Amino acid sequence: GAVVSQHPSRVICKSGTSVKIECRSLDFQATTMFWYRQFPKQSLMLMATSNEGSKATYEQGVEKDKFLINHASLTLSTLTVTSAHPEDSSFYICSARDLADTDTQYFGPGTRLTVL
Amino acid sequence: KQEVTQIPAALSVPEGENLVLNCSFTDSAIYNLQWFRQDPGKGLTSLLLIQSSQREQTSGRLNASLDKSSGRSTLYIAASQPGDSATYLCAVPKGAAGNKLTFGGGTRVLVKP
Repeated sequence: GAVVSQHPSRVICKSGTSVKIECRSLDFQATTMFWYRQFPKQSLMLMATSNEGSKATYEQGVEKDKFLINHASLTLSTLTVTSAHPEDSSFYICSARDLADTDTQYFGPGTRLTVL
Repeated sequence: KQEVTQIPAALSVPEGENLVLNCSFTDSAIYNLQWFRQDPGKGLTSLLLIQSSQREQTSGRLNASLDKSSGRSTLYIAASQPGDSATYLCAVPKGAAGNKLTFGGGTRVLVKP
């Protein structure tokens, strides 16, 4: 099946720093990728929809200036958490929608962010 | 606004017993419904996807049913094994299939040997 990778898988940073998370579709093209956040023992909540070549669409309550999304190619979307704080510590998961089969999206393995 | 609910939030059963996980959604106009498995600290593994026109889907020991009119889906896992211990999530897309997903809160399952 199709594979989506995320890098890094785990990151620990100091408060105030910025962290970039990559989401790549390895064997298919994706004009649309989704970014989700999951707090401990909670479900996934959509943060934003990343569109190749255009601005991301953010869900209500998600600060676009804090969570910068760039979808520069058909296989890569990045999420940058700017000026991270401890409350941003979470599990971030992306999914990518297959351009050749838009009914299907594939999930990445997630990135665990810990802000000290 | 679509809301997805999973009951129970946690479930503990002895090995060999059948598992029944419930998922309900408020807006019955869905394109499909998907069940996922998530192990602690890991990403999602897709288990079954039921199209809106289908009543059920089966894969090995897993069977998922869908009743759109009542806004319910049930995941059955037969003859549970300790390896089935995980969190199970159901999700429906907003609008067309392949769109952003709305997830239920999940059911944490523990199968005791």
